[in-house]
Amino acid sequence: GNSVTQMEGPVTLSEEAFLTINCTYTATGYPSLFWYVQYPGEGLQLLLKATKADDKGSNKGFEATYRKETTSFHLEKGSVQVSDSAVYFCALSDANTGNQFYFGTGTSLTVIP
Amino acid sequence: GAGVSQTPSNKVTEKGKYVELRCDPISGHTALYWYRQSLGQGPEFLIYFQGTGAADDSGLPNDRFFAVRPEGSVSTLKIQRTERGDSAVYLCASSLTGLAGQETQYFGPGTRLLVL
Repeated sequence: GNSVTQMEGPVTLSEEAFLTINCTYTATGYPSLFWYVQYPGEGLQLLLKATKADDKGSNKGFEATYRKETTSFHLEKGSVQVSDSAVYFCALSDANTGNQFYFGTGTSLTVIP
Repeated sequence: GAGVSQTPSNKVTEKGKYVELRCDPISGHTALYWYRQSLGQGPEFLIYFQGTGAADDSGLPNDRFFAVRPEGSVSTLKIQRTERGDSAVYLCASSLTGLAGQETQYFGPGTRLLVL
């Protein structure tokens, strides 16, 4: 079946530090991969996505590359800001198994000044 | 334009009561989804509508849960005989066409349900 595994948090970084949040997946077909972000008190927002192997999604300084060989979609940012403090969710969508998204458990990031 | 909206934002009820949660999707989106998010977990799929019909309800946990979308826009998630284990944040999402496997889903802010 389909599943997403995220690195456990919480993660605490100093401002301008490098961020990596690991995400690996299991899928029956060829999924699309997503990162969603949930800021405090707000709903889930799409951060970036990639729909096929070797695609790189990017937005707001965040990047993630769809690696089929390692079944991974790790989220990276070169220099985090306090405003990046949020919960980050990795998710997949697999046309072979319908329209639902499969989410990881989320990784809480706190950036301190 | 307006995003997905959900009402109420918070709902407190007593065990055994009936509740309705409402979702208003992005205008023009034909696909609508309900998810449930327990504390410390990612959202889990409940049901997917394509237009007025429930195309996939495989995530509904039992027959106390039911959802409708009579005019292909607003949807209502209904929970009968609520139990304390139903306490969670209920999320609604919509997407333009429901194309499986690629399409972004846009989420509402959620309804936080607490069953006492």
